[in-house]
Amino acid sequence: DGGITQSPKYLFRKEGQNVTLSCEQNLNHDAMYWYRQDPGQGLRLIYYSQIVNDFQKGDIAEGYSVSREKKESFPLTVTSAQKNPTAFYLCASSIGQATGELFFGEGSRLTVL
Amino acid sequence: AQTVTQSQPEMSVQEAETVTLSCTYDTSESDYYLFWYKQPPSRQMILVIRQEAYKQQNATENRFSVNFQKAAKSFSLKISDSQLGDAAMYFCAYIVRNRDDKIIFGKGTRLHILP
Repeated sequence: DGGITQSPKYLFRKEGQNVTLSCEQNLNHDAMYWYRQDPGQGLRLIYYSQIVNDFQKGDIAEGYSVSREKKESFPLTVTSAQKNPTAFYLCASSIGQATGELFFGEGSRLTVL
Repeated sequence: AQTVTQSQPEMSVQEAETVTLSCTYDTSESDYYLFWYKQPPSRQMILVIRQEAYKQQNATENRFSVNFQKAAKSFSLKISDSQLGDAAMYFCAYIVRNRDDKIIFGKGTRLHILP
């Protein structure tokens, strides 16, 4: 089955630690995205990538980093510089950004202890 | 600035009844897409329905239909014969067509279905 796989589903981290969230897709999509979801805030774009080896900052990129070494993979690292990292993180992909239709993973819940 | 506004943070509807979720947007563009996405308690977002701005006919998908009023910049979602499985967060979204812009989401409406 084609789709997007995010792991882990739940993650706990101590303050000061970096953590990497995995996102893999087998839809052969060019574009991939990371969103952060907080109650009452909707979805906020962290980073996006339209092609391999290229990515752009979204609206709330500070404290996060990404890489896009393979078409299928777009991992997100939440660094210790992110001041409020506890949130639900959603990865998505699309054929192209201009189409608008996004396919989402099941999300990763990060809790900082 | 382009914005999407969902003025109803929460709504409730009786099972089998009809409910309408509101969405307005602000744009100076003429060619764009509008979407409704559903996020059930399992948290995986799925596309419910899509509308191309150049099409006058309102999109429909089974029990889901939209009322697209381009001049008023309004894009409401109607759910007919509501079912328990319709309980979810619903997000309205917008993107300019064929341009390298980001999709813009509203803040969502939480829909409760009352048995």
